[in-house]
Amino acid sequence: SQTIHQWPATLVQPVGSPLSLECTVEGTSNPNLYWYRQAAGRGLQLLFYSVGIGQISSEVPQNLSASRPQDRQFILSSKKLLLSDSGFYLCAWSVKGEAFFGQGTRLTVV
Amino acid sequence: QKEVEQNSGPLSVPEGAIASLNCTYSDRGSQSFFWYRQYSGKSPELIMSIYSNGDKEDGRFTAQLNKASQYVSLLIRDSQPSDSATYLCAVNRDDYKLSFGAGTTVTVRA
Repeated sequence: SQTIHQWPATLVQPVGSPLSLECTVEGTSNPNLYWYRQAAGRGLQLLFYSVGIGQISSEVPQNLSASRPQDRQFILSSKKLLLSDSGFYLCAWSVKGEAFFGQGTRLTVV
Repeated sequence: QKEVEQNSGPLSVPEGAIASLNCTYSDRGSQSFFWYRQYSGKSPELIMSIYSNGDKEDGRFTAQLNKASQYVSLLIRDSQPSDSATYLCAVNRDDYKLSFGAGTTVTVRA
């Protein structure tokens, strides 16, 4: 069966610090991978998606970036965090259209 | 116009009643439609998927799709306190991108 691992679960970072969130998927090959962000009380905003190694599509301009160095690994990064980057970050995978989510990372930028 | 729109709620229903959730989407070419349940502080979990016009039933949940009206709904029969959560409608516009509505919060009163 497929599983998705996302870590850390919570993170408190100062403004201007770097960020690296990692997500890995097991039990499937060549999945579509996604990073979403959810602000408090809001819906899910698609940040990045990837259909293959090294292929990244960005949905909104921001100071975040994503990379897919391996088939089942997806990384979200920032060089300098802003207060507005706080939120609940969710990694997801998909093969046939529906998405399955990791546990999420709650990021607070202080 | 938002890609996916849901009634913002909150929706309060007594235990044992039917909860009715609505969702409209803007892209007439959308092919796949999903309902997710999200408990507070947790990641979304897939509860229903529907791909063709009509009704699809799974236990106490029924999803309804009307592509001509660009409308998707979710009915929760015999609502239980454990159904209290935010319900997210999601639409797949092509094979890669899944867009979410802002969600409808449901509270089931015991």
